[in-house]
Amino acid sequence: KAGVTQTPRYLIKTRGQQVTLSCSPISGHRSVSWYQQTPGQGLQFLFEYFSETQRNKGNFPGRFSGRQFSNSRSEMNVSTLELGDSALYLCASSSPPGHSYQETQYFGPGTRLLVL
Amino acid sequence: EDQVTQSPEALRLQEGESSSLNCSYTVSGLRGLFWYRQDPGKGPEFLFTLYSAGEEKEKERLKATLTKKESFLHITAPKPEDSATYLCAVQPNQAGTALIFGKGTTLSVSS
Repeated sequence: KAGVTQTPRYLIKTRGQQVTLSCSPISGHRSVSWYQQTPGQGLQFLFEYFSETQRNKGNFPGRFSGRQFSNSRSEMNVSTLELGDSALYLCASSSPPGHSYQETQYFGPGTRLLVL
Repeated sequence: EDQVTQSPEALRLQEGESSSLNCSYTVSGLRGLFWYRQDPGKGPEFLFTLYSAGEEKEKERLKATLTKKESFLHITAPKPEDSATYLCAVQPNQAGTALIFGKGTTLSVSS
């Protein structure tokens, strides 16, 4: 089975711009979560989507948003970029309840965003 | 507040020198505790899920255990390829699958 894929892998933007990142989950997975990873704060939860609905949201400003499509692919958007948004953005997908590893999250390789 | 603390932050071992990594947590109801391995520039790779105190899981040289307040990742006779950052995360009892991560333990194994 193919793993979680994320595009692009690397991105350089300038302050004030906006960016859209994409995530394709493992086939059959309906839940997609996004995390931000920085050296200082570690991995922090951004939000989770399940069946095209946001199910949970972390403590991030409204500049961070996301959506999920009917095929479970997800995008996250960051508007008005700030220098502090430079990070590795990770997407994870999980299998629906009832499977042996229910709700275990499998991560993609991440998108490294650099804001100048 | 739900919280995960990992220790030590960094650990250097000689090949074959066994040790343990600690993950202590406070959470309002634990649905699951997860261990991941992360190599530089890559996403976390799933290792284990533990659901209840007393549970143990093993995979090759790794063994994870869980109590009501902490989890240990025991590494037996490590090899250089075990060098990585090991992340512990808890999943609280709430809607959704959000994970709360510790800062990780960076393990270096030299030959």
